[in-house]
Amino acid sequence: AQSVTQLDSQVPVFEEAPVELRCNYSSSVSVYLFWYVQYPNQGLQLLLKYLSGSTLVKGINGFEAEFNKSQTSFHLRKPSVHISDTAEYFCAVSDSSGGTSYGKLTFGQGTILTVHP
Amino acid sequence: DAGITQSPRHKVTETGTPVTLRCHQTENHRYMYWYRQDPGHGLRLIHYSYGVKDTDKGEVSDGYSVSRSKTEDFLLTLESATSSQTSVYFCAIRTSGKRDTQYFGPGTRLTVL
Repeated sequence: AQSVTQLDSQVPVFEEAPVELRCNYSSSVSVYLFWYVQYPNQGLQLLLKYLSGSTLVKGINGFEAEFNKSQTSFHLRKPSVHISDTAEYFCAVSDSSGGTSYGKLTFGQGTILTVHP
Repeated sequence: DAGITQSPRHKVTETGTPVTLRCHQTENHRYMYWYRQDPGHGLRLIHYSYGVKDTDKGEVSDGYSVSRSKTEDFLLTLESATSSQTSVYFCAIRTSGKRDTQYFGPGTRLTVL
């Protein structure tokens, strides 16, 4: 079984400032890692994912995340945020080891990013 | 949006009534999932399907059943709705291979009075 902890439930930040949203996970098997964004009253949109290869992954809207296996973390970063980045962000993990049950996502509790002018 | 639609998008019902939510996909993906979203809990898996007539339970399956008689449709049924099932329900499909990723539908907001 996997678990995901998003260390901050809310992150307020000013426009054009950098931001980091923290995500730690626990798993006994190899994993895939994902960040999703949910704008108010909308569904979830994939921001970026780590399946294999380079541990630094780049996503849409200028976001990037780094997979750190030793620290079991997958923190999301953006060097300069915009008002339009205000949303809820979810970190998720899935079992990558194969079988019919693999691919099920376990989500963190979510981090609400609020960008102030 | 990976061709996923959910119906209805909003529903208000009363405790004890049966409710069925429908998820429809247009791209013949094998894997489909039902999640519920509640504040402070993120999304939690209810049931999933790995093929026609092949389904299994997720983390919060009590009070829910599913059916998949066709590749494109995955139905979630609340046999006797309770107020604790008031939530937003999301369907997802999973692409396979190197693009292994889940894509989500627009959601159904269900209120049980």
